[in-house]
Amino acid sequence: ETGVTQSPTHLIKTRGQQVTLRCSSQSGHNTVSWYQQALGQGPQFIFQYYREEENGRGNFPPRFSGLQFPNYSSELNVNALELDDSALYLCASSNERGGADTQYFGPGTRLTVL
Amino acid sequence: GESVGLHLPTLSVQEGDNSIINCAYSNSASDYFIWYKQESGKGPQFIIDIRSNMDKRQGQRVTVLLNKTVKHLSLQIAATQPGDSAVYFCAENNNAGNMLTFGGGTRLMVKP
Repeated sequence: ETGVTQSPTHLIKTRGQQVTLRCSSQSGHNTVSWYQQALGQGPQFIFQYYREEENGRGNFPPRFSGLQFPNYSSELNVNALELDDSALYLCASSNERGGADTQYFGPGTRLTVL
Repeated sequence: GESVGLHLPTLSVQEGDNSIINCAYSNSASDYFIWYKQESGKGPQFIIDIRSNMDKRQGQRVTVLLNKTVKHLSLQIAATQPGDSAVYFCAENNNAGNMLTFGGGTRLMVKP
């Protein structure tokens, strides 16, 4: 186990709704990265938070947003859900900015958009 | 654009044999590479990593080889066991240090 936890485990939403996913990082880690993994594909980087500031963003629209809290836990928010947002959402924690340290993944949240 | 890819989508091996999973990367500026194992319904699990100043790194039953000349990465698993059955991803950490770029994955199937 990595010590990274995510909630909820599964979630079903309808198109147009909004969703918030949560992640608790491993003890001692100050960086959280979020990834989207479509079925049968590798994870795609959404963004990273380091000490409560966004520290890099992948090719995702602004309706994907996030937060990091003083305890380094994090939220991923997705507005105006689309069918293609159905995926496994993974968070990974690391120390410093993830550049020299391994990212450890949580179990993911499976989001289904109907 | 820059990408990390894999040569073989599915690899089937006999229990006890050695497995080799290959990966090609295209970003010559990448300086850190990681192999992850992902079992069904779980998040990726760290296996082994290697930095660009190394050619080889060994762990418990696993070895990663890095050939920077041809931008090729491989994962060798010795004495493959049924518990090794999973999807394996190579990932590349860009030189800005803030994102991992994953390949599409190779499914390893171990036959008893």
